[in-house]
Amino acid sequence: GQQVMQIPQYQHVQEGEDFTTYCNSSTTLSNIQWYKQRPGGHPVFLIQLVKSGEVKKQKRLTFQFGEAKKNSSLHITATQTTDVGTYFCAGPNTGGFKTIFGAGTRLFVKA
Amino acid sequence: EAGVTQSPTHLIKTRGQQATLRCSPISGHTSVYWYQQALGLGLQFLLWYDEGEERNRGNFPPRFSGRQFPNYSSELNVNALELEDSALYLCASSRSGFYNEQFFGPGTRLTVL
Repeated sequence: GQQVMQIPQYQHVQEGEDFTTYCNSSTTLSNIQWYKQRPGGHPVFLIQLVKSGEVKKQKRLTFQFGEAKKNSSLHITATQTTDVGTYFCAGPNTGGFKTIFGAGTRLFVKA
Repeated sequence: EAGVTQSPTHLIKTRGQQATLRCSPISGHTSVYWYQQALGLGLQFLLWYDEGEERNRGNFPPRFSGRQFPNYSSELNVNALELEDSALYLCASSRSGFYNEQFFGPGTRLTVL
């Protein structure tokens, strides 16, 4: 079945370092969404990408959607302790109207 | 604007019992989604309701069921509880149409003893 893979599973960084998480789908996605879940919290929508090759920025966060619409990345510049949490990518499955979430990348930031 | 609300916050049951979880979507949202998040794991899609009808379900056994009421609130029922059903159950809502961003509630932590 369709899968959405995310790497790495965990990432430890020193505050101020950059961080990137990658999302790869086994099939083409019509769109991809990114969510952040703080420890003990619930997922919060960050952004949705729809167009091939699309790049969107939110302050220190940069989101990219691959040309083939099968992969995506989230890059955080100069991490801060407030960036701690798990970042999930999610996309609709092919024709099934079901959201498939990646397993998430858990980010730890050391002050 | 009030967010998605879920009740109860915590629920403790024993094996074989039934659990009922409730969700109220954001006002104006007609789609409700249910997810299961086992400890430390990702989100597994359970159910999607829109305009009162079940639109799709994930790979879960039939003992996971639910419904959506005319006011768009929703209930998730889990029958014949098993130990592995222990998880955080998240509800999300969106405007009608599957590709809209989803707003999540705080979740119900279900513990099966």
